Amino acid sequence: GENVEQHPSTLSVQEGDSAVIKCTYSDSASNYFPWYKQELGKGPQLIIDIRSNVGEKKDQRIAVTLNKTAKHFSLHITETQPEDSAVYFCAASFGNTPLVFGKGTRLSVIA
Amino acid sequence: GAGVSQTPSNKVTEKGKYVELRCDPISGHTALYWYRQSLGQGPEFLIYFQGTGAADDSGLPNDRFFAVRPEGSVSTLKIQRTERGDSAVYLCASRDRMNTGELFFGEGSRLTVL
Repeated sequence: GENVEQHPSTLSVQEGDSAVIKCTYSDSASNYFPWYKQELGKGPQLIIDIRSNVGEKKDQRIAVTLNKTAKHFSLHITETQPEDSAVYFCAASFGNTPLVFGKGTRLSVIA
Repeated sequence: GAGVSQTPSNKVTEKGKYVELRCDPISGHTALYWYRQSLGQGPEFLIYFQGTGAADDSGLPNDRFFAVRPEGSVSTLKIQRTERGDSAVYLCASRDRMNTGELFFGEGSRLTVL
């Protein structure tokens, strides 16, 4: 089955700097790659997703890139703000198979 | 209420007891998922329903775990003879179509087995 590895497990950045989180996946059939943000005591919430027919997607300060050949995808957050502090999860799936999540990255934005 | 609702938010029980966790998905969402999240880990898939039937239960760890969705809306996750290792946050999510798309998560039910 699918296996998703995520790095780093923790990340601290100064406010205004950029943050990058990387994930690799094992199943070349996977074609859907979402990123979720989880705040303390809350459920994960989708922030951006990408499908395998595109290489990059951007939404304001957030962007995701996908390299199908290398089987890795990354989340980029620019101009970080304190409210970006949370745990971020990458995930992968194919068709209607359940999402497989990475172990998460705890991002701390220091004001 | 527009979101996924889970009850109870917290449950403390003793080893060996039976527990039920309830999920009320977003109205109209046909697919419903249960995940388990241990401290410091990502959500781990347990089971998902398409309508009333379990489309994939491959993530259930053993036969102490069971889930139902009798009318295609509310779902109940049932855990028999609880063990300390069952302690985790149990997350429910729903989506509005079977194929890939956004999963909407509830806030979870935190289960503690003493």
